[in-house]
Amino acid sequence: DQQVKQNSPSLSVQEGRISILNCDYTNSMFDYFLWYKKYPAEGPTFLISISSIKDKNEDGRFTVFLNKSAKHLSLHIVPSQPGDSAVYFCAASAPNSGGGADGLTFGKGTHLIIQP
Amino acid sequence: GAVVSQHPSWVICKSGTSVKIECRSLDFQATTMFWYRQFPKQSLMLMATSNEGSKATYEQGVEKDKFLINHASLTLSTLTVTSAHPEDSSFYICSARRGSSNQPQHFGDGTRLSIL
Repeated sequence: DQQVKQNSPSLSVQEGRISILNCDYTNSMFDYFLWYKKYPAEGPTFLISISSIKDKNEDGRFTVFLNKSAKHLSLHIVPSQPGDSAVYFCAASAPNSGGGADGLTFGKGTHLIIQP
Repeated sequence: GAVVSQHPSWVICKSGTSVKIECRSLDFQATTMFWYRQFPKQSLMLMATSNEGSKATYEQGVEKDKFLINHASLTLSTLTVTSAHPEDSSFYICSARRGSSNQPQHFGDGTRLSIL
């Protein structure tokens, strides 16, 4: 069962407009959420993160919103630029239970296409 | 910056061969490194977590004797796929993190492993 879900495999947005990428999770133990951007043949690049004690984090054109009650987070990119075209992954982690394993759980990604 | 280098990027070898993949954090000291695996059309799946100087913690279903992980220094972790078989063919990607679990992981570009 997927604990992190990105239900939109792809999203097309016009240049200059706002891009909104969505992510849902099921594990209530997740307390740290991240967005990564990935170009073909490269590894994911960290974009922005948010701790569960916050509901919003902003960094330049990127803003992440967290709705814990709905177990939903979103990434807003505004204004969208052609270079934003990539696959975006949502990821989450739970507190280290002491077993030494606290890796990330990833969604399947959303392919964002910015149209000129 | 937070640059992670992974080598090699692509390996083709015969069944029964052991393959070593290196992951280096180039401009920071990584207290923890992670190894992920990705099958086609699937999300990244955590294989193991390693802390410098201690044994790796493997996720359920990942064979410790098949996937040997060594994290001998704060900038280097290696994954050795021992006696590789065609079913081990996959995309392997590492990440490195400085500090605690509320810090982002930074990823290498991955290794495409093909076993003939």
